[in-house]
Amino acid sequence: GQNIDQPTEMTATEGAIVQINCTYQTSGFNGLFWYQQHAGEAPTFLSYNVLDGLEEKGRFSSFLSRSKGYSYLLLKELQMKDSASYLCAVGGNQGGKLIFGQGTELSVKP
Amino acid sequence: DTEVTQTPKHLVMGMTNKKSLKCEQHMGHRAMYWYKQKAKKPPELMFVYSYEKLSINESVPSRFSPECPNSSLLNLHLHALQPEDSALYLCASSHGMGRGSQPQHFGDGTRLSIL
Repeated sequence: GQNIDQPTEMTATEGAIVQINCTYQTSGFNGLFWYQQHAGEAPTFLSYNVLDGLEEKGRFSSFLSRSKGYSYLLLKELQMKDSASYLCAVGGNQGGKLIFGQGTELSVKP
Repeated sequence: DTEVTQTPKHLVMGMTNKKSLKCEQHMGHRAMYWYKQKAKKPPELMFVYSYEKLSINESVPSRFSPECPNSSLLNLHLHALQPEDSALYLCASSHGMGRGSQPQHFGDGTRLSIL
């Protein structure tokens, strides 16, 4: 079957660092994606990993280990506006189809 | 602001009405997608078009009818919807469907309410 697991909720403090983990078991692998979604808004693309290792983009980094079926999204210097749902998604065998996790609701507190 | 434009932003319709959702992108992407999203749930794929041809239909009821008039436009025609169809409908596009041709970029969505 296809399964993507990520924590339902996380809380962190402004200025801190938070790591959101994602594990996956899918038929085929065509990349792992992280999206940010604020309440009532559309998902915004954050990062894409297709090879093992770390991809860094400003305050956001994403890591992938294909052998372990594992990824994480690292957010540094947290800001209040980072409070949102973070969606992990995997491109599987069926071209174009993304398999989404349930999302991690991140709350950033002052 | 996103590069995928969806209209209308909000739509309220009765169960007997016929309406259409529209999506437009000018990024030269050749794959376009319709998703449905309920509150606090991830997006659920409905349809995928690749090079203006329907590539994936995720067993969506026939009261939803997609159309891709050209490579920049994607429509979703709605007819005889049910109250449980109330949701946020998202359009997305990507360069293609194969490895390395993602990611998908989403429009702001149409919030649909069925009375």
